[in-house]
Amino acid sequence: KNEVEQSPQNLTAQEGEFITINCSYSVGISALHWLQQHPGGGIVSLFMLSSGKKKHGRLIATINIQEKHSSLHITASHPRDSAVYICAVRGYGNKLVFGAGTILRVKS
Amino acid sequence: GAGVSQSPRYKVAKRGQDVALRCDPISGHVSLFWYQQALGQGPEFLTYFQNEAQLDKSGLPSDRFFAERPEGSVSTLKIQRTQQEDSAVYLCASSLPRTSSGELFFGEGSRLTVL
Repeated sequence: KNEVEQSPQNLTAQEGEFITINCSYSVGISALHWLQQHPGGGIVSLFMLSSGKKKHGRLIATINIQEKHSSLHITASHPRDSAVYICAVRGYGNKLVFGAGTILRVKS
Repeated sequence: GAGVSQSPRYKVAKRGQDVALRCDPISGHVSLFWYQQALGQGPEFLTYFQNEAQLDKSGLPSDRFFAERPEGSVSTLKIQRTQQEDSAVYLCASSLPRTSSGELFFGEGSRLTVL
């Protein structure tokens, strides 16, 4: 079993829809990162969480430490949100373990 | 520059050639990480530096892979006698603090294709 599991693997949404991407992990962590990767592009850090909830524009990230689960929500989705969204957890040794990513496509 | 810079962006090598990939982190960033991302996969950890010290190299897939950061800033990932399975994007990331609480900044990656 992978240490970090994301769901769904692929997601297609219509413009304007509310989107949720889930991440479950099985190890103790010091922080959880949500990252965005555009095709052929580098990775951009969206959020770093160790507890609770963070919001940035139309993006919201939550984490439940007890349940070892995090969600990334996108409100009022737009075609420019189309990208791969990656959950990564940082253990206490500074090593990041990545999920396989969720490929999001938002159609206009 | 303001961000993490990697070079070359694209590298094509013949099987058996040695390659060197460079990462120039954000100035002052203590921690530096190398990751390998195969096509369609999430990144996988290779190695981690804190300043010039390589604290974790558990992810390096074989002794053909070698990384250094001699002055605690620029880092080089060297792959000797490249094989086709080494084809991947090699990502570098840096963060400011020594602790595990720092936000990561990624470079654009170096795409290596081994023929």
